[in-house]
Amino acid sequence: NAGVTQTPKFRILKIGQSMTLQCTQDMNHNYMYWYRQDPGMGLKLIYYSVGAGITDKGEVPNGYNVSRSTTEDFPLRLELAAPSQTSVYFCASNLRGGGDNEQFFGPGTRLTVL
Amino acid sequence: GEDVEQSLFLSVREGDSSVINCTYTDSSSTYLYWYKQEPGAGLQLLTYIFSNMDMKQDQRLTVLLNKKDKHLSLRIADTQTGDSAIYFCAESPNTGNQFYFGTGTSLTVIP
Repeated sequence: NAGVTQTPKFRILKIGQSMTLQCTQDMNHNYMYWYRQDPGMGLKLIYYSVGAGITDKGEVPNGYNVSRSTTEDFPLRLELAAPSQTSVYFCASNLRGGGDNEQFFGPGTRLTVL
Repeated sequence: GEDVEQSLFLSVREGDSSVINCTYTDSSSTYLYWYKQEPGAGLQLLTYIFSNMDMKQDQRLTVLLNKKDKHLSLRIADTQTGDSAIYFCAESPNTGNQFYFGTGTSLTVIP
């Protein structure tokens, strides 16, 4: 199993540009998440999904959109990039809810908006 | 969202014990976790504890939970240079759909 994979690893955007961060997992996990990590701030949840066709907002959803058309993929879309979206983005997945199962993380995408 | 607090930095000498502390606010937290993040990598689960437990031991790792004070700690015995990383505390409330992470503690092990 490759686990959770994310592309790209790095990206520089200009203000107002758009892009999609890709996330794929091959563990047949139902739950998938997008977090952003800012220095000294820990991880903040952007969006999550408990299954194909179902998405929900986390703590910091503004400026982002997601879709979950398949179990494997959970792309994150930035429509109008802003400098405040400069961050490291992590995708994660776990098999089910309930908390007693491991959340697996991808390697991250480092995004800079200039 | 729920607040999960950690101190930002900790330095220890190789061979000593490290203790990383965490406080949280959500009294309905069911599971509490410790994750490790090495440079340039994603987070990796180290261990977790169910809220009805006081302690959990796993090789060099000991987790202590004081539910009354909402305080969680991670003790690493015989700390090695390979333990240098950022350690995140996280909690999941009863629904288990979301995880709330602390700010992370950067552990530096001095040879």
